[in-house]
Formats: sequence, C-alpha cells, structure tokens
Amino acid sequence: DARVTQTPRDKVTEMGQEVTMRCQPILGHNTVFWYRQTMMQGLELLAYFRNRAPLDDSGMPKDRFSAEMPDATLATLKIQPSEPRDSAVYFCASGLVLGAYSGNTIYFGEGSWLTVV
Amino acid sequence: DQQVKQNSPSLSVQEGRISILNCDYTNSMFDYFLWYKKYPAEGPTFLISISSIKDKNEDGRFTVFLNKSAKHLSLHIVPSQPGDSAVYFCAALHQGGSEKLVFGKGMKLTVNP
Repeated sequence: DARVTQTPRDKVTEMGQEVTMRCQPILGHNTVFWYRQTMMQGLELLAYFRNRAPLDDSGMPKDRFSAEMPDATLATLKIQPSEPRDSAVYFCASGLVLGAYSGNTIYFGEGSWLTVV
Repeated sequence: DQQVKQNSPSLSVQEGRISILNCDYTNSMFDYFLWYKKYPAEGPTFLISISSIKDKNEDGRFTVFLNKSAKHLSLHIVPSQPGDSAVYFCAALHQGGSEKLVFGKGMKLTVNP
C-alpha cells in the first residue's frame, strides 16, 4: 500500500537548534508539497516541487526555512535556527499532477509534530 | 488573503441525516477541487475531487457539487455516520498554472449517534 512517509513523527527541540524533517514521497509521483498546520492558519503551503525542481517557496520564512529534494525519493524541510513560533504539525504530500482535467490526487503523510521550547 | 474559504468552523448532525459542507473560492483560475478528511493525529486523507468541467461527482455516500458561477462547492454526505466525524478540508488547484494546492481552514463535522 503506497504512502507518503515522514520522519520524525514527533520532535521536541530547544529554541535555536536546527530541525530537519524528511519525507519519502510515493514512488512515481512528480509533485511534492510541504504544509504547516496551525490552529490559526489551517493548512499553509510552505513550498512545493515538480520533478524535484522547486516551483514556489513563497510561503516559507526565507531567513530560517529551507526545502530541498536531493533525489526523487527524499524531500527535506530544514529550520535553522528554530523558534517557539515554529511549533506546529508539518505535513508532506505527494501527487502525480499531469495537467488540466487529469484527475489529480494528492496524498498526505501523517505529519511531523514539532515543539520548540 | 484567503483564496479558499470554509466559513463555518463546525457542523453537528444526527446519524442517518445529510451533512452539507460548504466551500467558497475567490480565484477564478482554480479548475480542480478536492475534499480531504482529517482525524486527530493523522494526515489529511483524500476523499473526493471534481474538475471544473463537471458540476457533480459522486462516490458512494459522498457527492461534491460545483457551482462555477458562484465560485462555490459543497460536499454532501448521505447518510451521515458517526465515523464521518472529523475535520473536512476543501482544497483548490490551478492545473497548468501555478498548480499550488490551496486549502481552506477546515470544518469540524460531528455526527451524533
């Protein structure tokens, strides 16, 4: 059963530390999204990739967040330095987006729960 | 600016009745819409989708209706079951364009036995 895998599931870290979250998209999917869920904002899009190329990271705080896809099986989201306001659930999602009217479906991982103290 | 809006934060219905979840969007470039269901401590799960070339899509107890002129879509669940209790997210996509998947803030559905 194909699924999006995220690690770590839970992370508690001290303010100022570096945090790296990893995502293994579903094999064959060409698009990977990073979302952050907070009570106030719901699901915010941070960044996304198509065929490993970054298409949009306008949702990310550029000074501390970075997202990469070193290969087709791995996407990373890094926060350096982390701050308490970064505490949230971070979701990775992948999908095969082929263009107009093609019945695209996008699947989510279970999320990485980050707490910065 | 919220491009996808779910204006009601919660809905409570009796088991067996119809649940209607509403969603509005502002970006006329959106041409594909998805509904996701989310249980606590889990990731959102894809439920049903609809392309802008259709006005209705049905899958078992779930039907999504799209009114392009009103920029409005709705999810109907008939009959509602207690296991449907979850947070439901509406999402929209502009295929062939920016292709960002943009979400609403979600709506909590409670189905009472």
